[in-house]
This record gives sequence, structure tokens and C-alpha cells, in this order.
Amino acid sequence: KAGVTQTPRYLIKTRGQQVTLSCSPISGHRSVSWYQQTPGQGLQFLFEYFSETQRNKGNFPGRFSGRQFSNSRSEMNVSTLELGDSALYLCASSPGQTLAKNIQYFGAGTRLSVL
Amino acid sequence: GQSLEQPSEVTAVEGAIVQINCTYQTSGFYGLSWYQQHDGGAPTFLSYNALDGLEETGRFSSFLSRSDSYGYLLLQELQMKDSASYFCAVRADQAGTALIFGKGTTLSVSS
Repeated sequence: KAGVTQTPRYLIKTRGQQVTLSCSPISGHRSVSWYQQTPGQGLQFLFEYFSETQRNKGNFPGRFSGRQFSNSRSEMNVSTLELGDSALYLCASSPGQTLAKNIQYFGAGTRLSVL
Repeated sequence: GQSLEQPSEVTAVEGAIVQINCTYQTSGFYGLSWYQQHDGGAPTFLSYNALDGLEETGRFSSFLSRSDSYGYLLLQELQMKDSASYFCAVRADQAGTALIFGKGTTLSVSS
């Protein structure tokens, strides 16, 4: 079974641009969560989706948005990029609406550099 | 809200035992889990504790004390490949899948 796939793996953008990242969960998984990872802050929760509905959102500005499609694939968008948005963006999937043993399956991430 | 504290770095030698502590503050508690992340890799699940006590999985064990809001990950017979970052995490709420992570502990194993 294929794991969580994130595309692209690397991105370079300039300030003010917008970016869209994609995540394909493990086949059969219906929940997708997104995290931002930076050296100083660790992994910070962005948002989670189940059955195309955003269930929870972390403490990030409105420039960060996401959505989930009927096939459970998810995208996140960051508009008006700032230097501080440079980070590794991780997507994680899980089978159901809640977690068994708090297990999530992570993709390798998209490394975004904002110049 | 929730917050987790863990040491930023730990060093050890091959064959040794190392303990990585994690203290947490949560409005509700739904288990403490541990993840490992190698440089450039994806975080992977290691262990989970919902009840007080020790859970053992091979060379790795995890402990929880809910009364102390404290847990630890114990790594035995350390190998070079154990050099990685280790994160403790709690669920954000009772339902859903969001996890709140500590900032991670970087373990360096030397020969």
C-alpha cells in the first residue's frame, strides 16, 4: 500500500506570491491533517479534514487555507507569502474521524523556501 | 490550550540507555504518543500511552504518569541509527485527529 504522498517536494517562491501544496493520503484513509515544521517551533498543527469538512484549525492567519476533495486528497494554500512561511509542510493521514492510539501516518513533506 | 515540554538535545554513546522526558499541560487528556523523525524524513509513530505505566516495544519503552502530567521515552541498547529527533504529542481534543507536538528532542548517538 502506498504511503502518504506530498507534492511537490521542494518549492521556492518569493514574498507576496501564493502557493498550493498537495497531499494524497494512504488509500482508504479519510482524515488528513497538516502541520508546519520549523527549527524553532517544531511541528505546529495547521488544520484537519474529514470527509471534505474542516474539523479543526490551528492558530495560523487566514492566509493559510485548505480543502479536501471527495477522494480524500487535500490541498493547502498559502497566499501573500512571507519570509517566515519558509518551513517544511507535513501532511498526515489516518483511517477514521478520530485517532486510534494517536497514530498518524506522515508524508515526507514539502519544503517551502520563501525568498 | 495544550503545551508540551521536552529537552532540546540529548547525547549518548552506542549501547547506552537514554531517557527523553516530556511534561504536558492539557485541558483534556487523550493519551501521550511518541514520534521519531530522521533528518529529511517523515515523522513515524513509535509508542502510545493512555494509562499509567510502561509500554514496551522492543528496544523502546514509554512511560506515563497522568497524575504528574509526565511521560518519558526510554531507548535501550542505543545504535547509531537511533540518532534522530523525538517528539512527544497529545491529541488536541477528544474527537478528531489533530495532534499537538512538543518541540522535539534531538538525540545524537556516537560510537
